[in-house]
Amino acid sequence: GAVVSQHPSRVICKSGTSVKIECRSLDFQATTMFWYRQFPKQSLMLMATSNEGSKATYEQGVEKDKFLINHASLTLSTLTVTSAHPEDSSFYICSARDLAGEQFFGPGTRLTVL
Amino acid sequence: GIQVEQSPPDLILQEGANSTLRCNFSDSVNNLQWFHQNPWGQLINLFYIPSGTKQNGRLSATTVATERYSLLYISSSQTTDSGVYFCAVALNTNAGKSTFGDGTTLTVKP
Repeated sequence: GAVVSQHPSRVICKSGTSVKIECRSLDFQATTMFWYRQFPKQSLMLMATSNEGSKATYEQGVEKDKFLINHASLTLSTLTVTSAHPEDSSFYICSARDLAGEQFFGPGTRLTVL
Repeated sequence: GIQVEQSPPDLILQEGANSTLRCNFSDSVNNLQWFHQNPWGQLINLFYIPSGTKQNGRLSATTVATERYSLLYISSSQTTDSGVYFCAVALNTNAGKSTFGDGTTLTVKP
């Protein structure tokens, strides 16, 4: 199956700093990627749909100025958590669909804001 | 939006036992997948099964789209099968966003 990578896998930062997470589709092109967050013992919550060459589509309740998404190429989407605070601590996961429509997930990024 | 319900929420089995996990959804879908989330958080693709039946080793899945449910069967369970199993559905085949169920947490005891 297709491979999606994510970097970094773990980040610890101070409150007020910004953190960038990269998501790459390694062996296929993805015009659309998805960003999720997951709290402990809960399901995945879709944050936004990242569209190559255009603005991301955010889910209701997700602050677009807080979570900046850039999808500059067919293989790379980035999520920047701006001015991070402890409540932003979570597990962030990206995904992309291949041409057949099957969704593949990156390994996730565990963010801890002190 | 689509509602996805998974049952049971928790399941504890003895090694070697069989189990059936269920996913009910509220609308017609063209895309359904089963995932296993391992202890490190990685979601592993099990089945891409918008309809029909598929088998992969000890695992098999059946989706009856007209009745809006899917089943995941695990036979001869092993301790490494432990983890959370998610069902995810989407209206569109290629580009639509997915809605996840709350998952079934499976614990297989030796």
